[in-house]
Amino acid sequence: AAGVIQSPRHLIKEKRETATLKCYPIPRHDTVYWYQQGPGQDPQFLISFYEKMQSDKGSIPDRFSAQQFSDYHSELNMSSLELGDSALYFCASSLHNEQFFGPGTRLTVL
Amino acid sequence: KNEVEQSPQNLTAQEGEFITINCSYSVGISALHWLQQHPGGGIVSLFMLSSGKKKHGRLIATINIQEKHSSLHITASHPRDSAVYICAVRRETSGSRLTFGEGTQLTVNP
Repeated sequence: AAGVIQSPRHLIKEKRETATLKCYPIPRHDTVYWYQQGPGQDPQFLISFYEKMQSDKGSIPDRFSAQQFSDYHSELNMSSLELGDSALYFCASSLHNEQFFGPGTRLTVL
Repeated sequence: KNEVEQSPQNLTAQEGEFITINCSYSVGISALHWLQQHPGGGIVSLFMLSSGKKKHGRLIATINIQEKHSSLHITASHPRDSAVYICAVRRETSGSRLTFGEGTQLTVNP
């Protein structure tokens, strides 16, 4: 069965650079969630989209933005990267209530 | 105090043992998820519960809504069960975002 796809799986950036993380939900899933998991921490909700509209917003820095496209894939854009942005970024998708997670993108900011 | 608390934080067992991981939460919820995270970081959804009990293979999850408590049981544990097990809740008042517990690190020795 198709799963949630995230790319890239690993990303290394320097401070003040920008990064774009991509998430491809399970086919026919209409909702996408983004979570950030810092080292040794539990995941924190960033933002979600339903039918291409932002549906909820959590602790997402103003330096970050995200959108969901017509094919339901989503991109998380991160600018002016800081060392503290180093984390595992998960995307999850759902059709009804159960969320299915992607493998994550590990971002390292040097 | 965290809204979602798990116990124990770390658990070491011998292969074949019956394992229980507990999750308590302090908010009204519409659903509770049990997730598994392997060392590589990927998160797998094990169960989504809103009442009662669910079973999948050697895994059993129960929830008591009145007591705000859920348990994850693993029967006949195996070294491949070694992972972090995370309880996450969908709050009644926060749409469909998940709030995560800190996870339980399970190690099953052969």
